Amino acid sequence: DTGVSQDPRHKITKRGQNVTFRCDPISEHNRLYWYRQTLGQGPEFLTYFQNEAQLEKSRLLSDRFSAERPKGSFSTLEIQRTEQGDSAMYLCASQVGTTQNTEAFFGQGTRLTVV
Amino acid sequence: AQSVAQPEDQVNVAEGNPLTVKCTYSVSGNPYLFWYVQYPNRGLQFLLKYITGDNLVKGSYGFEAEFNKSQTSFHLKKPSALVSDSALYFCAVRDNSGTYKYIFGTGTRLKVLA
Repeated sequence: DTGVSQDPRHKITKRGQNVTFRCDPISEHNRLYWYRQTLGQGPEFLTYFQNEAQLEKSRLLSDRFSAERPKGSFSTLEIQRTEQGDSAMYLCASQVGTTQNTEAFFGQGTRLTVV
Repeated sequence: AQSVAQPEDQVNVAEGNPLTVKCTYSVSGNPYLFWYVQYPNRGLQFLLKYITGDNLVKGSYGFEAEFNKSQTSFHLKKPSALVSDSALYFCAVRDNSGTYKYIFGTGTRLKVLA
């Protein structure tokens, strides 16, 4: 297992279209996070899964966004009716353990461009 | 609310010179602090973390960071910079709720000049 994998790496879509991103975390990592990073900013938290349960959603996650993690393995992030403001890098991270001591591992991200 | 500040948008340093990238934090309770590096069009790579113990933390690629509780700082350092260290550096604090999510600073771009 070589790390967190995200697909696709790049996505260009027209405004109003739906897009879906996939994240494959490191095996045995029960915690999975989605972050969004816009130009010149640090990553911002979107949502968190512990196993298959989505336990927290940021207010940044409007009702056009939905995330799933069926069976506690891979996760998908879907954006419906995309807007130009959705253009960003979407990062997935996974982490093992039940303490704050372990670090999260990030995928290479999916860069979304809405035209 | 927890927060992280990286006061410098960019740091320039000559190759071979020591480098410092600054980070200050605000947390309630014990801080769990992290540094990550990001190369162009890539995800974040973990460098080092402070959980408890020694105030000087050693990490990957020769980087280290000094935790200073009185100044609420966690500056990233390296004794001798390499051109290949040029990248975007992020300081983060871990949220102390059950999610353990990160709160990131805005990042500091490091340029090491040959």
